[in-house]
Amino acid sequence: DVKVTQSSRYLVKRTGEKVFLECVQDMDHENMFWYRQDPGLGLRLIYFSYDVKMKEKGDIPEGYSVSREKKERFSLILESASTNQTSMYLCAFSSGNTGELFFGEGSRLTVL
Amino acid sequence: EDQVTQSPEALRLQEGESSSLNCSYTVSGLRGLFWYRQDPGKGPEFLFTLYSAGEEKEKERLKATLTKKESFLHITAPKPEDSATYLCAVRGNQGGKLIFGQGTELSVKP
Repeated sequence: DVKVTQSSRYLVKRTGEKVFLECVQDMDHENMFWYRQDPGLGLRLIYFSYDVKMKEKGDIPEGYSVSREKKERFSLILESASTNQTSMYLCAFSSGNTGELFFGEGSRLTVL
Repeated sequence: EDQVTQSPEALRLQEGESSSLNCSYTVSGLRGLFWYRQDPGKGPEFLFTLYSAGEEKEKERLKATLTKKESFLHITAPKPEDSATYLCAVRGNQGGKLIFGQGTELSVKP
């Protein structure tokens, strides 16, 4: 089975800290995505990437940036964490043109 | 604007009590309707993709069906291990992104 690995399951950070969330896939998939999931708001797309060094804004990119230097690694960056960024962050890849997303286990971030 | 609405928000069943979850959608040019299962504290797990009205897919006690306006996830004789949140998503012509519903939280009691 193809795997998506997110570097940290649980993180606690302070307001203003820089936060890196890493995501690694173990196959040669081009399309990778970052979502956040909040109660009552569902899954919302932050950023996505269809190739190395390529990135596209999703529906809620404000306060976030991404990096894709290698095909298998897609990182989400919070330049200056704020309390409203406390959330579950989910990385996913999609296989070919079918559109199915395959998610990692998630990273639960708490910003104090 | 593409939109997905799931109902009910929460569903409690007794073990063996069959039921259905609903996913209503509006999308410009459906390119796929997706069902996911999500356990607490984990990422969503892919279940099914449906592409056209009339299509059905099955996996163990789950069966997904699709019409032009909605999809149903039928659960036959559920077991406690089927307890999870079930998410529905659609992919349309507008950029190809997946639009997710809010989910239905299913609880099956023994």
